[in-house]
Amino acid sequence: EDQVTQSPEALRLQEGESSSLNCSYTVSGLRGLFWYRQDPGKGPEFLFTLYSAGEEKEKERLKATLTKKESFLHITAPKPEDSATYLCAIPLSGTYKYIFGTGTRLKVLA
Amino acid sequence: GAVVSQHPSRVICKSGTSVKIECRSLDFQATTMFWYRQFPKKSLMLMATSNEGSKATYEQGVEKDKFLINHASLTLSTLTVTSAHPEDSSFYICSAGKRNYEQYFGPGTRLTVT
Repeated sequence: EDQVTQSPEALRLQEGESSSLNCSYTVSGLRGLFWYRQDPGKGPEFLFTLYSAGEEKEKERLKATLTKKESFLHITAPKPEDSATYLCAIPLSGTYKYIFGTGTRLKVLA
Repeated sequence: GAVVSQHPSRVICKSGTSVKIECRSLDFQATTMFWYRQFPKKSLMLMATSNEGSKATYEQGVEKDKFLINHASLTLSTLTVTSAHPEDSSFYICSAGKRNYEQYFGPGTRLTVT
């Protein structure tokens, strides 16, 4: 059964304190793993797509990596404006529909 | 870029009335659009998938006669909540599918039914 699990559920960091968010997945034939950022009261904002194990993508303080079982979103020296919920998603086998993880609520304190 | 708009961003309606929400892909053509509902502090729940020129496919438990979806063009899909009731109050988000399974989301519509 296709499945996506994110951890931790919530994370509080001090400004500048680097950390990683985890997205574990089970799917027959990965056709991409997608990271999004969602601010309260807004739609998810696209961050990264990863397609194959070993792939890495970077954007400002964020770096996403992918293995055959999981993806990590590394946040380096975070700032308060990085506070948001981070979602990962994969396409359900045989469809274009996404399975979402439950998200990680990140709070970065000044 | 990949920009998706939704209109309106907020709407308040009375119980028993219908409300239409528009979703537009502004700078690309989307053969597939998706409609989600999100409850507070929860992840997105897929309601239906719409393909341009064909009937929408609804997820199990979603009433197709209550949530009417029309995907009239490659850049526009609409969701109409018919005979709205307070329990339909929620945050509705659309997304537009692009190449390689990427989805780009609209900013969402907050519906309040009084």
